[in-house]
Amino acid sequence: DAKTTQPPSMDCAEGRAANLPCNHSTISGNEYVYWYRQIHSQGPQYIIHGLKNNETNEMASLIITEDRKSSTLILPHATLRDTAVYYCIVRDNTGNQFYFGTGTSLTVIP
Amino acid sequence: DAGVIQSPRHEVTEMGQEVTLRCKPISGHNSLFWYRQTMMRGLELLIYFNNNVPIDDSGMPEDRFSAKMPNASFSTLKIQPSEPRDSAVYFCASRHRTGQTDTQYFGPGTRLTVL
Repeated sequence: DAKTTQPPSMDCAEGRAANLPCNHSTISGNEYVYWYRQIHSQGPQYIIHGLKNNETNEMASLIITEDRKSSTLILPHATLRDTAVYYCIVRDNTGNQFYFGTGTSLTVIP
Repeated sequence: DAGVIQSPRHEVTEMGQEVTLRCKPISGHNSLFWYRQTMMRGLELLIYFNNNVPIDDSGMPEDRFSAKMPNASFSTLKIQPSEPRDSAVYFCASRHRTGQTDTQYFGPGTRLTVL
């Protein structure tokens, strides 16, 4: 699975959009980009995933660059409950393990 | 669906005691994963099952750890004897896989403290 690089921490004002970047320059053609988050003391929670096209669901939007070497997770209106560690994971769908790395610790500020 | 269910949520035990962690996966999911999370090592995969069969246990730290999945709705992770370095949060996850999706859903975890 391709390696990902994320900033260790970010702050975002409550009500504003949180944009979390992820670099995955060695991604291969059959690898998906997955985002999970882990709120303190809870299990990781699936957010969204995509292959090439931008994706949106009730939680977030995922923007993948045309060359697929980077992506951005967007939380459109961050709330205090979005404070968590966000993990960007790149993998194909034939493997079994998710390598979570160290993620980005997002703090939403009132 | 109630999601992945784990019990107990917290366990405090003394070194040398046997510890059994339990997991009920989401109904219909055919893969189950056991992870361990510590500050030093992050989230590590210990073992996973496909259709109740253990596929890869290379992440199990040593023979003191064992896992079973007697049926599609139940799995256990046992540590015998337990040691202080086993203190961690243990997560169980089950998987829904299609051609376009390979998503793992995690339980709330069991926080284990070995004194």
